[in-house]
Amino acid sequence: GENVEQHPSTLSVQEGDSAVIKCTYSDSASNYFPWYKQELGKRPQLIIDIRSNVGEKKDQRIAVTLNKTAKHFSLHITETQPEDSAVYFCAASMRNQGGKLIFGQGTELSVKP
Amino acid sequence: GAVVSQHPSRVICKSGTSVKIECRSLDFQATTMFWYRQFPKKSLMLMATSNEGSKATYEQGVEKDKFLINHASLTLSTLTVTSAHPEDSSFYICSALTDRVVYSGYTFGSGTRLTVV
Repeated sequence: GENVEQHPSTLSVQEGDSAVIKCTYSDSASNYFPWYKQELGKRPQLIIDIRSNVGEKKDQRIAVTLNKTAKHFSLHITETQPEDSAVYFCAASMRNQGGKLIFGQGTELSVKP
Repeated sequence: GAVVSQHPSRVICKSGTSVKIECRSLDFQATTMFWYRQFPKKSLMLMATSNEGSKATYEQGVEKDKFLINHASLTLSTLTVTSAHPEDSSFYICSALTDRVVYSGYTFGSGTRLTVV
């Protein structure tokens, strides 16, 4: 089945710096790659997503890139702010398995003022 | 937008008892629902996939007799933790697939914190 690897597990940056989180997936049939931000005890919140027919997508300070050949995708956050501090998860959706969504291990981002 | 209502948000039960968690889609038909559990500071681990009117498909290592999933209608899916033990204590969360054309778009419930004492 699909396996999603996420790195790093923790990331600490200074306010205003950029943060990059990387994920790799194993199943070439995966076609949808969302990124979620999760506060403690809350539901995951979608922050950006990308489909397999697109290489890059940007939404203000957040961008995602996808390399289908290498099977990896990355989240880029620029001009980080303390309120960006949270746990971030990447995920991959498997179209050939009814849309099953598999999550990476998570990255705890800390933005220091 | 699509909303999934999950109840209860928190539940404490005694060892050996069963607990039912409900997820209702409020403004759309949830043909497919995914159930996850999450341990503290860990990822969301997929437990099973339920499709309306069909038996749930469980992930490897998940005990189907312990975690009973029912998806009898297009707006309701339930997870019952049977004969609960302290090791079943976890955060359980459901997710409905809202885009079945290209399989993108997921709406999450608010989660259930289960504590077994």
